Amino acid sequence: DAKTTQPNSMESNEEEPVHLPCNHSTISGTDYIHWYRQLPSQGPEYVIHGLTSNVNNRMASLAIAEDRKSSTLILHRATLRDAAVYYCILRGSGGGADGLTFGKGTHLIIQP
Amino acid sequence: DGGITQSPKYLFRKEGQNVTLSCEQNLNHDAMYWYRQDPGQGLRLIYYSQIVNDFQKGDIAEGYSVSREKKESFPLTVTSAQKNPTAFYLCASSTGAGRNYGYTFGSGTRLTVV
Repeated sequence: DAKTTQPNSMESNEEEPVHLPCNHSTISGTDYIHWYRQLPSQGPEYVIHGLTSNVNNRMASLAIAEDRKSSTLILHRATLRDAAVYYCILRGSGGGADGLTFGKGTHLIIQP
Repeated sequence: DGGITQSPKYLFRKEGQNVTLSCEQNLNHDAMYWYRQDPGQGLRLIYYSQIVNDFQKGDIAEGYSVSREKKESFPLTVTSAQKNPTAFYLCASSTGAGRNYGYTFGSGTRLTVV
């Protein structure tokens, strides 16, 4: 799986939008961009994924750059429950394992 | 509701003992995975299985063993050969092995060696 780069931490205020960036300059044409989040002492939770076009679901939006070398997870109106570690992952054909490789992610802090 | 059940939530083991972590899913997913997470770190893949009776080593398989006798179950054994087994263990499943499929994770088992 190709490598992604995310800021170690970000801080935002409750009820404001949050934009979480992810750089993936070595992405291949067939890699999907996945986002997961993990609350303390819990397993990661799927948030959203996409290939080329921007994607929306009930949790978030995913904006993918035209060259696909970066993407942004958008939480439209952050709540305290959105405080978590957010992982940006590329799911591709690299390696023998089809499993996802998780980096350290971005620790999102929400201020009331 | 469908999901993944990991048990127990907390597990204590004496040095030199083997211990087995349970992972059961009722999502009818073909693929299942085991990850290890250390404090402040990301997830590292231990083993994965894409079909029953078949499994493959991940990045850190040494000191671990698995079996996949049923589609629903993928237990992980932490053997005495694992030098530093204290960690948070996560099981996951996926409906397919393609890139367009997301993963469902269990709530994890925290293993402590005493």
